[in-house]
Amino acid sequence: AQRVTQPEKLLSVFKGAPVELKCNYSYSGSPELFWYVQYSRQRLQLLLRHISRESIKGFTADLNKGETSFHLKKPFAQEEDSAMYYCAPYTNAGKSTFGDGTTLTVKP
Amino acid sequence: DTAVSQTPKYLVTQMGNDKSIKCEQNLGHDTMYWYKQDSKKFLKIMFSYNNKELIINETVPNRFSPKSPDKAHLNLHINSLELGDSAVYFCASSQDRRRTWTSANSYNEQFFGPGTRLTVL
Repeated sequence: AQRVTQPEKLLSVFKGAPVELKCNYSYSGSPELFWYVQYSRQRLQLLLRHISRESIKGFTADLNKGETSFHLKKPFAQEEDSAMYYCAPYTNAGKSTFGDGTTLTVKP
Repeated sequence: DTAVSQTPKYLVTQMGNDKSIKCEQNLGHDTMYWYKQDSKKFLKIMFSYNNKELIINETVPNRFSPKSPDKAHLNLHINSLELGDSAVYFCASSQDRRRTWTSANSYNEQFFGPGTRLTVL
């Protein structure tokens, strides 16, 4: 069965510390992988996608096909990074599955 | 200009009532979605439409009926509301789910509406 797992429901770090939000997926074929972010009282928005291999707001995510992981990383967390983060594989069948989400809190 | 809009933003109603939530996108996208976000912030897909055609229906009760009058609109009608329907409902759209993504383009990036917080009393 296709599934995506974000093992940490809550993650708390201090400002300036590195942060890694984990995502593991189990999908047949080659899904496209996304990270979405939801800041407090705002709509979900795209943070980054694996095909573009870019850094957004200091975040990067590397697709590891061997481990079927797409962990989100940032070397120095900022308070404004506090938000809910969702990992979301997407298949060409039109199916988008969101992980359960990780709430990141960056403490001053 | 708002890319994906939903109305209303808040909806408070009694059990047993029927209500609708409207969604519109002005991005020219072919695919639209409805998601339910519960109190634990779990986000679950409910429906997906491509060019007004239903392509995904994720074990949603029959009380929920999506309607797509044209590809820019996807409305959600809920009959006989229950307490467990209380949640935030998000509409989203993406360009075209049928195309295979490439390194240059993603047709599957989803743009979300602001959400509708439904409270059933």
